[in-house]
Amino acid sequence: DIVMTQGALPNPVPSGESASITCQSSKSLLHSNGKTYLNWYLQRPGQSPQLLIYWMSTRASGVSDRFSGSGSGTDFTLKISSVEAEDVGVYYCQQFLEYPNTFGAGTKLELK
Amino acid sequence: EVQLQQYGAELGKPGTSVKLSCKVSGYNIRSTYMHWVNQRPGKGLEWIGRIDPANGNTIYAEKFKSKATLTADTSSNTAYMQLSQLKSDDTAIYFCAMQATRVPGFAYWGQGTLVTVSS
Repeated sequence: DIVMTQGALPNPVPSGESASITCQSSKSLLHSNGKTYLNWYLQRPGQSPQLLIYWMSTRASGVSDRFSGSGSGTDFTLKISSVEAEDVGVYYCQQFLEYPNTFGAGTKLELK
Repeated sequence: EVQLQQYGAELGKPGTSVKLSCKVSGYNIRSTYMHWVNQRPGKGLEWIGRIDPANGNTIYAEKFKSKATLTADTSSNTAYMQLSQLKSDDTAIYFCAMQATRVPGFAYWGQGTLVTVSS
């Protein structure tokens, strides 16, 4: 199985500052079709997860442009510019290259 | 509007089974894959498996192959997951999740069913 490893955030993050969350995969997520199968989700407290980013850098429908994804085949970053109260929660990366579609352990974002 | 409706809670005794449902409205499940994910108390997300409702084909994570059974009823647009031989560490929230057209990710989620295993 592909192992997803997420970094921690130096919490709490001051409101209005930017935050970057890292994720590493144990195998390249770059498909032969040129797309990288890495997703990001946000799970707000008490809610179901919400898809933020797919194909490493494509924002899902309705997601704020304050969220951006980047990376290589195995190292990825989710950047949140100008953090707001509604961004608080746990962020998960997930690989969608092969089954099982494994998740990272999650990175908690707290607001100052 | 696409909605995935799950019951809020289920109680199961050790050694028994529970069957969870996920009724989809606003989207034909024949056109997508239905996935199940769990979240143990205070823990992260864990992928259990997926079903292709159009033909019933399933794929499971190795650790859930003897625990979970996924089915789907296209006539009622509902996906199901049966959990067997319940143990205390099966206590978790179980989410159903669905891909959207040409989106390789879980664009839609149910609100989750809390399964509590207790005698």
